Amino acid sequence: AQSVTQPDIHITVSEGASLELRCNYSYGATPYLFWYVQSPGQGLQLLLKYFSGDTLVQGIKGFEAEFKRSQSSFNLRKPSVHWSDAAEYFCAVGARNNNDMRFGAGTRLTVKP
Amino acid sequence: EAGVAQSPRYKIIEKRQSVAFWCNPISGHATLYWYQQILGQGPKLLIQFQNNGVVDDSQLPKDRFSAERLKGVDSTLKIQPAKLEDSAVYLCASSPGDSPYGYTFGSGTRLTVV
Repeated sequence: AQSVTQPDIHITVSEGASLELRCNYSYGATPYLFWYVQSPGQGLQLLLKYFSGDTLVQGIKGFEAEFKRSQSSFNLRKPSVHWSDAAEYFCAVGARNNNDMRFGAGTRLTVKP
Repeated sequence: EAGVAQSPRYKIIEKRQSVAFWCNPISGHATLYWYQQILGQGPKLLIQFQNNGVVDDSQLPKDRFSAERLKGVDSTLKIQPAKLEDSAVYLCASSPGDSPYGYTFGSGTRLTVV
């Protein structure tokens, strides 16, 4: 079955600085890949997804992610972080033959003023 | 469009008691999912329904957890009896079923078992 590793449990960045959250996946074929954000007490909101085609994917709130097959990675980036971006971020991988989506353990983002 | 509705938002029970959570998916969404999110972990799929039939319940602890989706709309997840390790947020999600992974998540129910 597919799996996801998010190596960073907690990241702190200054407001206005750039951000990169790491995600590595394990799957035998080209997977579906997702990034979700979860604010305290809220459900999961989809930031972006990769199914096929262009490996650089644009999402909401100024986020982007790049699928790198050779590295089995799908890292999330944002050029300038805002205080409102502080939240928990989850990478997820889905199989292409069913709706079985597996989540990573998450990365908690703290934004310093 | 209205989102996925879940209730209650919070629940505190003693171990060995029973509890039920309710989910109302987005209108017209054929597929409904229940996820368990333990503190510090990512969500884990418990059960997936397609209309009112179960597609995948391989990760549902069937000795204590049960779920149903009558009439292919609302769904209820029950735990009986609850254990301390069941403390988690229970998330419901729905999708149209015609697009892969077009999930919309509800805000979840936070369960604390004491």
